Amino acid sequence: EIVLTQSPGTLSLSPGERATLSCRASQSVSSSYLAWYQQKPGQAPRLLIYGASSRATGIPDRFSGSGSGTDFTLTISRLEPEDFAVYYCQQYGSSPPVYTFGQGTKLEIK
Amino acid sequence: VQLLESGGGLVQPGGSLRLSCAASEFTISNYAMSWVRQAPGKGLEWVSVISTGGGDTYYADSVKGRFIISRDNSKNTLYLQMNSLRAEDTAVYYCAKATKATIAALYWGQGTLVIVSS
Repeated sequence: EIVLTQSPGTLSLSPGERATLSCRASQSVSSSYLAWYQQKPGQAPRLLIYGASSRATGIPDRFSGSGSGTDFTLTISRLEPEDFAVYYCQQYGSSPPVYTFGQGTKLEIK
Repeated sequence: VQLLESGGGLVQPGGSLRLSCAASEFTISNYAMSWVRQAPGKGLEWVSVISTGGGDTYYADSVKGRFIISRDNSKNTLYLQMNSLRAEDTAVYYCAKATKATIAALYWGQGTLVIVSS
């Protein structure tokens, strides 16, 4: 079973700053099977990035994903007020099918 | 993508509940469909998935033997039958659709709250 560990648990930044969120897997993950989500209070998660680096439809280009193997990163280039939320990484295992989530990183306004 | 969950509510421990997820603007049998839950104040936990075509089903260990995922293609609706409910099953349950680009990423409905309590 693959475990995803996100860091930091909480990240305090100001609008306009750059945010770097980390997701580390306990064993190698296919980049094709790594996704990132944003969740705001009282809302469902929203897909941001799939395939480690591809932006989902309608996602602003200030969001970018990178990484391979066991280390993946979500970068928000210039924080907007609406970006403060909780972010989850997720990997997909195909045999058998399973979706595994990290514990989340809370991005809060400093 | 439109996913509308319903069927949540308050149920006693040991009881049963069936959640529904009505889909529109796409055909559910053409996509892998999942249920994912989130306990109050906690993170996301995948619960179950039903594949395309023949509809193979898979479950998290925490619900195996108690929950059943199914779909009604004529109604374009996904279901989650939850039996032998426990307090730890209390959560918002989200219906989620695999994306067109990859089975590995999900689009989500708004969720329905299940509370297991006496």
